[in-house]
Amino acid sequence: DVKVTQSSRYLVKRTGEKVFLECVQDMDHENMFWYRQDPGLGLRLIYFSYDVKMKEKGDIPEGYSVSREKKERFSLILESASTNQTSMYLCASRLPGSWNEQYFGPGTRLTVT
Amino acid sequence: SQELEQSPQSLIVQEGKNLTINCTSSKTLYGLYWYKQKYGEGLIFLMMLQKGGEEKSHEKITAKLDEKKQQSSLHITASQPSHAGIYLCGADISSSNTGKLIFGQGTTLQVKP
Repeated sequence: DVKVTQSSRYLVKRTGEKVFLECVQDMDHENMFWYRQDPGLGLRLIYFSYDVKMKEKGDIPEGYSVSREKKERFSLILESASTNQTSMYLCASRLPGSWNEQYFGPGTRLTVT
Repeated sequence: SQELEQSPQSLIVQEGKNLTINCTSSKTLYGLYWYKQKYGEGLIFLMMLQKGGEEKSHEKITAKLDEKKQQSSLHITASQPSHAGIYLCGADISSSNTGKLIFGQGTTLQVKP
């Protein structure tokens, strides 16, 4: 079974703090993704990575950065957290190629106060 | 407006009743994925449709893809409380199959015993 784990289920941070969200997958997947999920908006792609050290912006990258130093780990960084970044953050991974589904982690609910 | 629209946004049905959720794209679909999410958790992959007219079933859930209408439907027969959750459709709208998906806003299903 593919397992995607995220470092925290719940996180509370203060405005201006630097926040790290970690995602680890154990199935040697090249592709990894970070989404945020907000009520009424569905999932929106923040960043994705095709392979180690490769990253591309998704639809809403502003205020975020990512790091992929190892194949199994994809980190999302909020350089200076703001209240509008309060959200559910979901990580996913997949094998490259056609029609392969994404496997999701359990999510991190981040609250920025 | 969203590129991928789901309807209805929420649904309450009596146990044993059938129901249908629709997902309509404003762009050409190259792959359509259905996921289920329990509140506050990650997404679980249900099925993927690729070709127009394709239909797949898993237990009491059937999904179809209408390529001409750029629409997919998810049908649940004889609903049970275990079917409750949020159903999301995700679509690959890139002919190069990058693996990037856009998602609908989700349909929340409640099943009354």
